[in-house]
Amino acid sequence: DVKVTQSSRYLVKRTGEKVFLECVQDMDHENMFWYRQDPGLGLRLIYFSYDVKMKEKGDIPEGYSVSREKKERFSLILESASTNQTSMYLCASSPNGAPITEAFFGQGTRLTVV
Amino acid sequence: GENVEQHPSTLSVQEGDSAVIKCTYSDSASNYFPWYKQELGKRPQLIIDIRSNVGEKKDQRIAVTLNKTAKHFSLHITETQPEDSAVYFCAASRTDSSYKLIFGSGTRLLVRP
Repeated sequence: DVKVTQSSRYLVKRTGEKVFLECVQDMDHENMFWYRQDPGLGLRLIYFSYDVKMKEKGDIPEGYSVSREKKERFSLILESASTNQTSMYLCASSPNGAPITEAFFGQGTRLTVV
Repeated sequence: GENVEQHPSTLSVQEGDSAVIKCTYSDSASNYFPWYKQELGKRPQLIIDIRSNVGEKKDQRIAVTLNKTAKHFSLHITETQPEDSAVYFCAASRTDSSYKLIFGSGTRLLVRP
């Protein structure tokens, strides 16, 4: 079974704090993603990484950065948390190659910024 | 940039009826179209996918159709059951330059017993 594990299920942080969300996958997948899920807005892509140290901005990268130093780990960083970053964050991973195959999701981290 | 639009945002059907969810995509180079189901409090999970060299795919009560010319694809669920109640997401991806996966905004399906 593919496993994508996010370090925390729930987090409460204060405005202005630097926040790290960690994601680890155990299937040697090249691609890793961070999404934000808000009611009515679906899954919005924050950042995407297709290889170690490689990253690409998604639709809503402002206020976020990412780090991928090892293939299995993809970190999302909120440089200075704000209340509008209160949301559910989902990590996913998928393999490269043809034919393209499914992405697997972590269990999600519900972040509340107060 | 790439965009995927999904309709309707909510859908309520009587048990046993059919449900149809529609998506359109903007990037003509997209060639992979998965559908995910997210039950309450759980992670999204793939239920069916279709690639651009196929026009239709079926798996028991669910089917997906793809119209590349119109850049449109749809999910069809027949004989709906209460356990089909969930949020459904369509997505699009391409494999020529990156494997970025872009999702639609989701459809909340309620199947009334």
